[in-house]
Amino acid sequence: EVQLVESGGGLVQPGGSLRLSCVASGFTFSTYDMHWVRQVTGKGLEWVSSVLTSGEPFYADSVEGRFTISREDAKNSLYLQMDSLRAGDTAVYYCARSWSAYSPIDSWGHGALVTVSS
Amino acid sequence: EIVMTQSPATLSVSPGERATLSCRASQSVSSNLAWYQQKPGQAPRLLIYGASTRATGIPGRFSGSGSGTEFTLTISSLQSEDFALYYCQQYDKWPTWTFGQGTKVEIK
Repeated sequence: EVQLVESGGGLVQPGGSLRLSCVASGFTFSTYDMHWVRQVTGKGLEWVSSVLTSGEPFYADSVEGRFTISREDAKNSLYLQMDSLRAGDTAVYYCARSWSAYSPIDSWGHGALVTVSS
Repeated sequence: EIVMTQSPATLSVSPGERATLSCRASQSVSSNLAWYQQKPGQAPRLLIYGASTRATGIPGRFSGSGSGTEFTLTISSLQSEDFALYYCQQYDKWPTWTFGQGTKVEIK
């Protein structure tokens, strides 16, 4: 069974930092492109960042320069380092996988809540 | 950025009836369109990809159609477990994936 389990969410002050982790199981992690997608409570879905199997990262304009995505295939893990956090970054962050960059997301984690507030 | 527009925002349907959801792209996305279902407190679940291919384990009452800029998700006979939020997503223009704002299917 495919499982994606996020951790690291929580409350942080504006300007602060947080690191999300996602541990994968039930599939060959190194062969999938991995993504972070966020959802503001009661709102829609927003793509945040992706890292391909090659390690090449991609970012939405809204987080470029502030967030850093990385993967560690030996540990079946995906990370999102979030710096200079803003109130607008408050959301549930989902870890997700796709079999390629030109494929849809076929599995999602349960999500990690990040709250940016003073 | 490709803007995805879903309609209606809310669809009230009686159990056993057909539901038709629409998704429009601001420019062509070919058939690189997916539909997801999301229930309260849960992550989205892939229903349809390639505009019309059901994902693994998805019941036959869910069907997708369309290409280019106009897409439709049809639920042929709504079951109680189908009342949820539905999102479309284009994955044609990498890396800027975009989602529609969602359609809520509620019990009439």
